[in-house]
Amino acid sequence: AQRVTQPEKLLSVFKGAPVELKCNYSYSGSPELFWYVQYSRQRLQLLLRHISRESIKGFTADLNKGETSFHLKKPFAQEEDSAMYYCALTGGSYIPTFGRGTSLIVHP
Amino acid sequence: DTGVSQDPRHKITKRGQNVTFRCDPISEHNRLYWYRQTLGQGPEFLTYFQNEAQLEKSRLLSDRFSAERPKGSFSTLEIQRTEQGDSAMYLCASSLVGRRESPLHFGNGTRLTVT
Repeated sequence: AQRVTQPEKLLSVFKGAPVELKCNYSYSGSPELFWYVQYSRQRLQLLLRHISRESIKGFTADLNKGETSFHLKKPFAQEEDSAMYYCALTGGSYIPTFGRGTSLIVHP
Repeated sequence: DTGVSQDPRHKITKRGQNVTFRCDPISEHNRLYWYRQTLGQGPEFLTYFQNEAQLEKSRLLSDRFSAERPKGSFSTLEIQRTEQGDSAMYLCASSLVGRRESPLHFGNGTRLTVT
């Protein structure tokens, strides 16, 4: 079975502060991991995936197999980063499993 | 707009009625997924298709739920004899076949309210 845990329902920071949204997973094989984002009144969309090892909108995420984590980080938060963030895992079944999401609020 | 589209955006129905939702995926995507999302939760998998074949259904999917993708293009999700617990956002997503790293492309969802 595969499972994704996002321990924080809400993360509130001030503009310019560093941000880390936590994601832990449970899966016995080699997972494919993703971060999706949903801005207000928009559809859920891909932010980044671990296989690409890229930085999108200043966000990065590193897969740590030892800690089974895929935390999302940004050194300096911006107000436009306020959104719901979902971590997702795809295992051998090709069925992505999502965490419950973390609401990020960036205050001016 | 060549993204995933869902219809209707909102549906209000009385308990016991049947409802049907439609999803049109991105044309070159042959995997199509249905998820359900309730307040404070992430998307929960319901079922998925590869082309016209329904490959897996979640245990969440009771006998009152049925999904089809008759020609491997659009898909419909029908809920029979709706219950108040069916109230949720129903999300459709599509992706490319055979690649685990292929991300999902979501529609805007259909919000169902059962009164």
